[in-house]
Amino acid sequence: EVQLVESGGGLVQPGGSLRLSCAASGFTFSRYWMHWVRQAPGKGLVWVSRIDSDGTSTTYTDSVKGRFTISRDNAKNTLYLQMNSLSAEDTAVYYCARLGANLEGATRKYYNCMDVWGEGTTVTVSS
Amino acid sequence: QTVVTQEPSFSVSPGGTVTLTCGLSSGSVSSSHYPSWYQQTPGQAPRTLIYTTNTRSSGVPGRFSGSILGNKAALTITGAQADDESDYYCVLYMGSGIYVFGTGTKVTVL
Repeated sequence: EVQLVESGGGLVQPGGSLRLSCAASGFTFSRYWMHWVRQAPGKGLVWVSRIDSDGTSTTYTDSVKGRFTISRDNAKNTLYLQMNSLSAEDTAVYYCARLGANLEGATRKYYNCMDVWGEGTTVTVSS
Repeated sequence: QTVVTQEPSFSVSPGGTVTLTCGLSSGSVSSSHYPSWYQQTPGQAPRTLIYTTNTRSSGVPGRFSGSILGNKAALTITGAQADDESDYYCVLYMGSGIYVFGTGTKVTVL
C-alpha cells in the first residue's frame, strides 16, 4: 500500500524552529518528486514547497522563502521540512504529498499534481 | 502574486449536476497549467479527483469529470450524491516549479 505518514508537529513559540518528517512506503520513494502543502485552521489549502527526486531542485511559495527548507533522505525514504523563524501565520496542518507521475517505460511523465497524500501533522505557533 | 479563484459555495440537489470553475486573476487557464482537482471533507486529508485537466484518479467515480470551459478549468459532478458534500480545490501549475491552490468551493447537497 502506498502510504505517507507525517510527524514532528507540535507547539512552538514564535521565532522558534521545527522539523517535520514524512515517511514514505509502498513505492520507490527515490524516483518521485514530493510536495508540502499546509492548511491553516478554517482556511484553504496552500502549496508550500516541492523537491525533485534527488533533492537538487527545490521551490517554495513566497511566504516561506528563506525560512523553510525542504529536503529528503532517499536512503531513509523520508521527506523533511525544516521550518525556522516561525510565526502565528505558520500555524496549520502540514501535509506531504507525492507529485503525480508515470515513471514506467522510457518516457517519464510528470503530471504536476498531488496524487498521494499523508494524513497531516499539526503545527501550532503560540506563546 | 497570482490568485486562483473558485466560487465560494454551490448547492446541488441529489442527482443533480454542478460545475465548479477555477480561474486566474490574470489570464486564461489552459492545459499547460495542468489543472487538478481535490476533494476534502472536514478533518480529513485531501483526496485527488482529477489531474491533467480531465484524467480521473484511480478509484474516482465517473460522475466526476474535468474540462476547460472558456478561460477556466472546470470540475463537473453529474448525478450528485450525498457524500459529495465537501470542499473542492483546484491547483494550477504556474511554471518554474510553482503551484497555486484555488480558494476552494464548498458544495452542499440538499
